[in-house]
Amino acid sequence: SQQGEEDPQALSIQEGENATMNCSYKTSINNLQWYRQNSGRGLVHLILIRSNEREKHSGRLRVTLDTSKKSSSLLITASRAADTASYFCATVPGSGNTPLVFGKGTRLSVIA
Amino acid sequence: GAGVSQSPSNKVTEKGKDVELRCDPISGHTALYWYRQSLGQGLEFLIYFQGNSAPDKSGLPSDRFSAERTGGSVSTLTIQRTQQEDSAVYLCASSLVSGKHNYGYTFGSGTRLTVV
Repeated sequence: SQQGEEDPQALSIQEGENATMNCSYKTSINNLQWYRQNSGRGLVHLILIRSNEREKHSGRLRVTLDTSKKSSSLLITASRAADTASYFCATVPGSGNTPLVFGKGTRLSVIA
Repeated sequence: GAGVSQSPSNKVTEKGKDVELRCDPISGHTALYWYRQSLGQGLEFLIYFQGNSAPDKSGLPSDRFSAERTGGSVSTLTIQRTQQEDSAVYLCASSLVSGKHNYGYTFGSGTRLTVV
């Protein structure tokens, strides 16, 4: 079953603009992770945020987590054409003893 | 190895035939996962191996699907009597796990299975 739901399903922006993707989930979590997928193949891990953290940064990526609203956001600043990909949030539910549950993803297109 | 290796990268099979998909995880990663992804969809969990523990098979869609992991390393996912709805990209991942899934997963490039 789907735990995370990304919003929007698709996003198209101009190079240099910021891209924000949101993720909502249903049950309590141990941690939440964001992944990128190019061309429908292997996923690349971007960032992990634990349930007791509120914000994390990695390069041009900023992730926030609001456990009271059961939501997270991924911000990509100063986007590049190479950022064009699908972005998935994934959650580790409950106490952390079960594998990642993925959402359906947001398709980001960055136009040069 | 340096990454998670999956083979074959593409497989076309006739309906009713059996297929085997292989995954070679990162050395030292104790956890291994299989997911599948249908066109334009998210990832569907299939099965999870952790060390010598019994695998979590809760995601396998039917008894035509099975998987094994030999020697705590290489894993094979077998689909018997393939059906057209089995067509998808099958993704393998590995990670460090010590009781909790609080590490990122490293994914292979996947096997695209097409059942005709």
